[in-house]
Amino acid sequence: EAGVTQFPSHSVIEKGQTVTLRCDPISGHDNLYWYRRVMGKEIKFLLHFVKESKQDESGMPNNRFLAERTGGTYSTLKVQPAELEDSGVYFCASSQGAWTGGTEAFFGQGTRLTVV
Amino acid sequence: AQSVTQLGSHVSVSEGALVLLRCNYSSSVPPYLFWYVQYPNQGLQLLLKYTTGATLVKGINGFEAEFKKSETSFHLTKPSAHMSDAAEYFCAVSEGTGRRALTFGSGTRLQVQP
Repeated sequence: EAGVTQFPSHSVIEKGQTVTLRCDPISGHDNLYWYRRVMGKEIKFLLHFVKESKQDESGMPNNRFLAERTGGTYSTLKVQPAELEDSGVYFCASSQGAWTGGTEAFFGQGTRLTVV
Repeated sequence: AQSVTQLGSHVSVSEGALVLLRCNYSSSVPPYLFWYVQYPNQGLQLLLKYTTGATLVKGINGFEAEFKKSETSFHLTKPSAHMSDAAEYFCAVSEGTGRRALTFGSGTRLQVQP
């Protein structure tokens, strides 16, 4: 069974440009999460989808970030326009079933975004 | 609000030596605790988790962790380090209510010397 897949693995863009990151969760996983790790700091929660609905987007840093999950399958995270402080590694994770606190989340390998 | 502190951003041990990676948490409710590992160019992989029950939790690759409520700790140990254990390790906490996501520590990079 395929794991969580993220595209691209690396992206280098100029300040002011737009970048779209994609995440394909494990098939059948209703829960999809985006996290971000900036400059070797802690991995921080961005948002949580349940199917196609945004359950919690309290971690989104500002309105330059837009996440979508069409049809409850794959998800995209668009940054427009990108700023230098957006550089970091963006992780996607998915999990199955109702949240219990002890639910295991499966992570993708991350997209390393560099804004120059 | 919940938080996680990992003491030591870098830990170096000799092959065969004890591995001890420290994690302390704060949570307003009984926590669920996790250790994830990230090998180079790979995603995060679950090593082990504590939900309820036995406080000593065994995970993959010979790792284990003990939940100590009085110390608010969930330290990760392995009796004998192997070269293949070199990776970055993340402690995380979640709660059964509220935000349905993980709160991570800043990570500890483990180096294993031959």
